[in-house]
Amino acid sequence: NAGVTQTPKFRVLKTGQSMTLLCAQDMNHEYMYWYRQDPGMGLRLIHYSVGEGTTAKGEVPDGYNVSRLKKQNFLLGLESAAPSQTSVYFCASSYRAPRNEQFFGPGTRLTVL
Amino acid sequence: RKEVEQDPGPFNVPEGATVAFNCTYSNSASQSFFWYRQDCRKEPKLLMSVYSSGNEDGRFTAQLNRASQYISLLIRDSKLSDSATYLCVVNEGGTASKLTFGTGTRLQVTL
Repeated sequence: NAGVTQTPKFRVLKTGQSMTLLCAQDMNHEYMYWYRQDPGMGLRLIHYSVGEGTTAKGEVPDGYNVSRLKKQNFLLGLESAAPSQTSVYFCASSYRAPRNEQFFGPGTRLTVL
Repeated sequence: RKEVEQDPGPFNVPEGATVAFNCTYSNSASQSFFWYRQDCRKEPKLLMSVYSSGNEDGRFTAQLNRASQYISLLIRDSKLSDSATYLCVVNEGGTASKLTFGTGTRLQVTL
């Protein structure tokens, strides 16, 4: 099993450009999450999904959109990138259970100039 | 006030030492608790869950005090390979089992 994979690993964008980050998991997990991690801030939840076709906002959703068309994939989109979106983005997935462990992907390092 | 608070460290300890990390959380309705480990420039990985009765996994012991809203992690006989950032994580329940992460405590084990 590959677990949780993310593409791309690194990306540099100019302000105003758009891009999509792809997360894929092969563990048949129901729940998927997108986080961003900034120095001194800890991981913050951007959007999450409790199943195919459903998404919801997390703590810091502004400037991002998501889609979960297939159970195994969760896409994070930036329509018009801003320097404030420079961060490390982690995707995670978990089973639907009360004490579920979240498994993380290796992260995407995004720089917006 | 942050929902999950940790001392950022760094904690610099010699190999073989015992070190303890503490964490406090603000939501008394929080349902489950975890310690994650994050190596430099890597993703977080679950170290252990934290149960009310306390639990031990080899050199690692985690404890929970619900009355004080306090979680701890004890590492005995520290190894160089224990050098990492330790994240205190709280599941506040509800749909999607969303997790709230502390900012982490950095541990550096030296020779």
